[in-house]
Amino acid sequence: DVKVTQSSRYLVKRTGEKVFLECVQDMDHENMFWYRQDPGLGLRLIYFSYDVKMKEKGDIPEGYSVSREKKERFSLILESASTNQTSMYLCASSPWLRGYQPQHFGDGTRLSIL
Amino acid sequence: SQQGEEDPQALSIQEGENATMNCSYKTSINNLQWYRQNSGRGLVHLILIRSNEREKHSGRLRVTLDTSKKSSSLLITASRAADTASYFCATDARLPNAGGTSYGKLTFGQGTILTVHP
Repeated sequence: DVKVTQSSRYLVKRTGEKVFLECVQDMDHENMFWYRQDPGLGLRLIYFSYDVKMKEKGDIPEGYSVSREKKERFSLILESASTNQTSMYLCASSPWLRGYQPQHFGDGTRLSIL
Repeated sequence: SQQGEEDPQALSIQEGENATMNCSYKTSINNLQWYRQNSGRGLVHLILIRSNEREKHSGRLRVTLDTSKKSSSLLITASRAADTASYFCATDARLPNAGGTSYGKLTFGQGTILTVHP
């Protein structure tokens, strides 16, 4: 069974802090994704990566960066956390299979910025 | 607006009834997927339908796709209280390159909240 593990279920940080959210998948998937989920807005893609050291901006990359040094790990970085980044963050992975790419999600990190 | 938009936003039914959720989208797609999310958890993939398919079944789930209307529906038959969750459609947009492939980047709708009463 595919497992996508996010390092924390709940996290509380202060404004201005540098925050790291970690995600690890165990299925050798090429693609990895970071989303944020807010009430009424659904899931919005922040960044994705289709290979080690590769990254692509999603729909809302401002205020975030990512790192993918190893295939199984994809990190989301909030360079200087702000209160409007309080949200549920979801990581996902998928294989690179043309025309058939279901995503597997972690359980999410609920991040509060005070 | 979102590529995938679900309708209704919320649905409340009794156990044993059928639940139908609809999804509309705007661009050409490679496939359309449905996901389920239990409260406070991640999303779980339910079913994928390719752009050249019209209907697909998986257990109590039935998905239809009408590419001419750019719409899809998810039917859950004989619903159970355990089906209570949020349901999202997601589209894998076809890129305007020669192969029409994509990186599997999905665009999600805002979801339908389904409540099934025992």
